[in-house]
Amino acid sequence: TQLLEQSPQFLSIQEGENLTVYCNSSSVFSSLQWYRQEPGEGPVLLVTVVTGGEVKKLKRLTFQFGDARKDSSLHITAAQTGDTGLYLCAGGGGFGNEKLTFGTGTRLTIIP
Amino acid sequence: GAVVSQHPSWVICKSGTSVKIECRSLDFQATTMFWYRQFPKQSLMLMATSNEGSKATYEQGVEKDKFLINHASLTLSTLTVTSAHPEDSSFYICSARDRAVGRTEAFFGQGTRLTVV
Repeated sequence: TQLLEQSPQFLSIQEGENLTVYCNSSSVFSSLQWYRQEPGEGPVLLVTVVTGGEVKKLKRLTFQFGDARKDSSLHITAAQTGDTGLYLCAGGGGFGNEKLTFGTGTRLTIIP
Repeated sequence: GAVVSQHPSWVICKSGTSVKIECRSLDFQATTMFWYRQFPKQSLMLMATSNEGSKATYEQGVEKDKFLINHASLTLSTLTVTSAHPEDSSFYICSARDRAVGRTEAFFGQGTRLTVV
């Protein structure tokens, strides 16, 4: 069974601070995705990384895929209250019916 | 991005009754759809993979006779919770993958909050 462990599980920081969320596994994934989920809604895709060592930036968010494609990180610069939510990494989901394996989740709260 | 619509957004039903949840891909065709269950403050747990025109593949521990999945077309999958019990109360989410070549992302519906009383 492929497992994705996220750390930290909970994070509460002041607006304007920086933070990093980690997603680790012992398994290799063909691709890895990051989602943000608001309460009562479905996850919204933020980014997909497919190449080992790949770095993608989305405004204040920087995503990195590990060289061995077993881990990933999400770094947020100058956090804003709108960044509050549940962040989920998910591995797999390649072509065909390959299923996504979701990480354990990181609940982020940005304090004004 | 692609749009996946889930209906209803929330439903309350009596214990012993059945509830059907629909998942539609609005602007793309989805050969494969996935059904998840999410408990409060937890991550998503995959229940089953729904393949158009064939039987669904259920994850270990998921009762296929209780959670009936039908994927009759490339844009619609349904999940029916049969003989619902209070412990079935949860947030159910579907996702769909665009069958177009080169698309690997899965897009999610807005979820259905099921409460069994």
